[in-house]
Amino acid sequence: ETGVTQTPRHLVMGMTNKKSLKCEQHLGHNAMYWYKQSAKKPLELMFVYSLEERVENNSVPSRFSPECPNSSHLFLHLHTLQPEDSALYLCASSQQLGGEQFFGPGTRLTVL
Amino acid sequence: KNEVEQSPQNLTAQEGEFITINCSYSVGISALHWLQQHPGGGIVSLFMLSSGKKKHGRLIATINIQEKHSSLHITASHPRDSAVYICAVRPTGNQFYFGTGTSLTVIP
Repeated sequence: ETGVTQTPRHLVMGMTNKKSLKCEQHLGHNAMYWYKQSAKKPLELMFVYSLEERVENNSVPSRFSPECPNSSHLFLHLHTLQPEDSALYLCASSQQLGGEQFFGPGTRLTVL
Repeated sequence: KNEVEQSPQNLTAQEGEFITINCSYSVGISALHWLQQHPGGGIVSLFMLSSGKKKHGRLIATINIQEKHSSLHITASHPRDSAVYICAVRPTGNQFYFGTGTSLTVIP
C-alpha cells in the first residue's frame, strides 16, 4: 500500500450506532488531518495531529472522537450521529504541520 | 462568507482548449495549495506555492501575493482533466482554508 488509505470507503449507520473510520499513511509524515466535505461546501477541518498530539479541534461536536495511536494511524470514532453528519470524510497527511497535504480516498458516510 | 473565492464555479471546455481557473482570497497568506478532486472523492495535490509560478506537465499555477490572486492554467485540455479543482490558502499558522471548487468538464 502506498500513500494514504482509508477504510471503509462507504458506511451506512443508524443514529444509535457506534462505528470507527480508519486512516493509515505510508509516507512517513508527521501530521495527520480529518476533514469533512459536505455537498456544495468547502472542506472543513475537523482535527489535526502532529507527532500524535492533537493540535487543532475546530469546535467539532463530541459525537466525533479522534484517536492517533501512532504517527501512521488516525481514527475517527463516531457515536449517536445525526443525519446532517452524512458527508465525505477525508483523511490527509503532511510532512510537517501546514505542509503540502496528501489525501486519502475518503469514507462516504450516510447516517439514517 | 468564505475567505477563498473561486471562479468560475462551473466550466465546460472543448478538448484542446486553454483553461484558466481563478482563486482570490481576502487575507495575507504564507502559501496557496491547488488540489484536484475526481468523481468518487479522491483528492490529489497539484501545487503548493507562495510566490511566482510553478509548472508541471500541462498545468501551470501562478500567484500574485500583492493582488491576493492565483490562477491555475491547463494547456491542451483533455477529457481526463475533468474534475473539481480546489484552491486552499494558508494564512499564518498551520491551517488551510478551502474554496468551494471549480467543476471542469472537458468535452471530446
